[in-house]
Amino acid sequence: EAGVVQSPRYKIIEKKQPVAFWCNPISGHNTLYWYLQNLGQGPELLIRYENEEAVDDSQLPKDRFSAERLKGVDSTLKIQPAELGDSAVYLCASSLGQDSAYEQYFGPGTRLTVT
Amino acid sequence: DAKTTQPTSMDCAEGRAANLPCNHSTISGNEYVYWYRQIHSQGPQYIIHGLKNNETNEMASLIITEDRKSSTLILPHATLRDTAVYYCIVRAYSGAGSYQLTFGKGTKLSVIP
Repeated sequence: EAGVVQSPRYKIIEKKQPVAFWCNPISGHNTLYWYLQNLGQGPELLIRYENEEAVDDSQLPKDRFSAERLKGVDSTLKIQPAELGDSAVYLCASSLGQDSAYEQYFGPGTRLTVT
Repeated sequence: DAKTTQPTSMDCAEGRAANLPCNHSTISGNEYVYWYRQIHSQGPQYIIHGLKNNETNEMASLIITEDRKSSTLILPHATLRDTAVYYCIVRAYSGAGSYQLTFGKGTKLSVIP
């Protein structure tokens, strides 16, 4: 079974430019998460989707970050414009549901460098 | 949310058991203890979770004290591929049927040849 797929794996952009990350969750997983991981820190939740609906986006900086999950499968996370402080790894995860019985499966992440 | 305390780093000899401790003294009765690990340049990987009883799977064992204020993850025969950051997480209910994972800094386990 294929795991969570993310692309690109690496991205280097100049500040003020836009950037987008793509995630394809495990087939059949209704819940999708985007996390941000700074160097030396654990992942921090940005947004959680239940099918197409963003049910928890309280940690998403909405002035520059946006996300969508059309058709309840793939998801895209966008930053516009990017700032130097956005350099980090962006992780996507999915699970069968949001109940505590379901573990989250993570993708390899996209490493963003803003110069 | 209950907080967890883990040592920053640990070493373990290859082939020996690795015992990773975690303190979660403020854990509530309905909160689960989860363990994930993150190998360099990869996303976190689920290992095991438990509520009250000790748990074992093909990867590890989880020992939870009777008062549930601490737990230990045991890798019975550590290999070089077990070198990773190990996160102990108390998975708390965050409303609307959702249980959130809140990662700390974890323990950097180095398996030594």
